[in-house]
Amino acid sequence: EIVLTQSPATLSLSPGERATLSCGASQSITSDYLAWYQQKPGQAPRLLIYGASSRATGIPDRFSGSGSGTDFTLTISRLEPEDSAVYYCQQYDNSRTTWTFGQGTKVEIK
Amino acid sequence: EVQLVESGGGLVQPGGSLRLSCAASGFTFSSYWMTWVRHAPGKGLEWVANIKEGGSEKFYVDSVKGRFTISRDNAKNSLFLQMDSLRADDTAVYYCARAEIFASLDYWGQGILVIVSS
Repeated sequence: EIVLTQSPATLSLSPGERATLSCGASQSITSDYLAWYQQKPGQAPRLLIYGASSRATGIPDRFSGSGSGTDFTLTISRLEPEDSAVYYCQQYDNSRTTWTFGQGTKVEIK
Repeated sequence: EVQLVESGGGLVQPGGSLRLSCAASGFTFSSYWMTWVRHAPGKGLEWVANIKEGGSEKFYVDSVKGRFTISRDNAKNSLFLQMDSLRADDTAVYYCARAEIFASLDYWGQGILVIVSS
């Protein structure tokens, strides 16, 4: 079973700053099957990035994804107040048809 | 517009059962894999179960195998989760979600709360 570890647990930054969120996999995974989600309190998660680097429909271009193998990154280039949320990475294991989420990174806007 | 609306949640005693439903609209339901994901209080997201388009292939996280059953009715654009032998650690908000390109979950319902407590 692949385990995803996200870091840091919490990120506290000011508007306009750059946020870099990491997602590490316990073994190499296919980039196609790596996604990122944003979840605000009381709301359902929202898909931000699929295939490690493709933005979902309607997602602002300040959100970008990168990485391969065991190391993946979500970057928010210029933080806005509405970006305050928990961000999760997720991988799909094609051989077992299972999904796994990381434990999340909380982004706080000062 | 794609919509997913869950129902059927509530308070149930340990060992009890509950059946969640998810009504889908705005897309060709029978063409998509569908999933259930849960969010327990103070914890992260956890994938629970998935069902492929035709309904014959189903997959579960280990912690619910033998207790939960996912099913679908393509004629009624509906997804279900039958939850039996419920435990306190099943307490969570349950979301239905559509699986799209590369198995990413592109549309989610608003979530339904399940509380397992005596």
